[in-house]
Amino acid sequence: GAVVSQHPSWVICKSGTSVKIECRSLDFQATTMFWYRQFPKQSLMLMATSNEGSKATYEQGVEKDKFLINHASLTLSTLTVTSAHPEDSSFYICSARDLRLAGASSEQFFGPGTRLTVL
Amino acid sequence: ELKVEQNPLFLSMQEGKNYTIYCNYSTTSDRLYWYRQDPGKSLESLFVLLSNGAVKQEGRLMASLDTKARLSTLHITAAVHDLSATYFCAVDMEKGAQKLVFGQGTRLTINP
Repeated sequence: GAVVSQHPSWVICKSGTSVKIECRSLDFQATTMFWYRQFPKQSLMLMATSNEGSKATYEQGVEKDKFLINHASLTLSTLTVTSAHPEDSSFYICSARDLRLAGASSEQFFGPGTRLTVL
Repeated sequence: ELKVEQNPLFLSMQEGKNYTIYCNYSTTSDRLYWYRQDPGKSLESLFVLLSNGAVKQEGRLMASLDTKARLSTLHITAAVHDLSATYFCAVDMEKGAQKLVFGQGTRLTINP
């Protein structure tokens, strides 16, 4: 299957700083990327959907000014957690798909996740 | 609002036994996914079920989908320790968009 990478795999930062997480599709072009967050021992919650070259669509309750998403190319999406606070500590997982491959039937591939700890 | 519920949330079983995890969802959807997650890791895709009556099998795992009942099952046959993990089902919240709503997850522990 296709490979999606995330960088960094883990990050520890001080409260008030901003953190950028990268999501890359390594061997395919991702027209759409999704960002999820997962609290310990909980399920995944979709935060936003980003389509290459356009603004991200955020799910209800997700602050777009806090979680900045950029999908500038077909292989890279970034999530920036601005002015991070301890409650932002979580496991952030991205996924990617290429809508041009079999359209709505194209599979979604998940990255390995980034663990963010805000002190 | 689409809701996805798994049952049970925790399951401890012995090697060699069979068991089933259930996934109910609240509105119609054209596809259902099963994923495995190991501690500290991301998701591994197990099955994609695309139509009513679909059944897929891989090794000791078998998944089925009943769209009329809005129910999917993940059946484990003769469990082995390596299958210990958390299993999630997920459903598209918008047809074809693959914006997924996940169940709570079932934490499966298989004891020797």
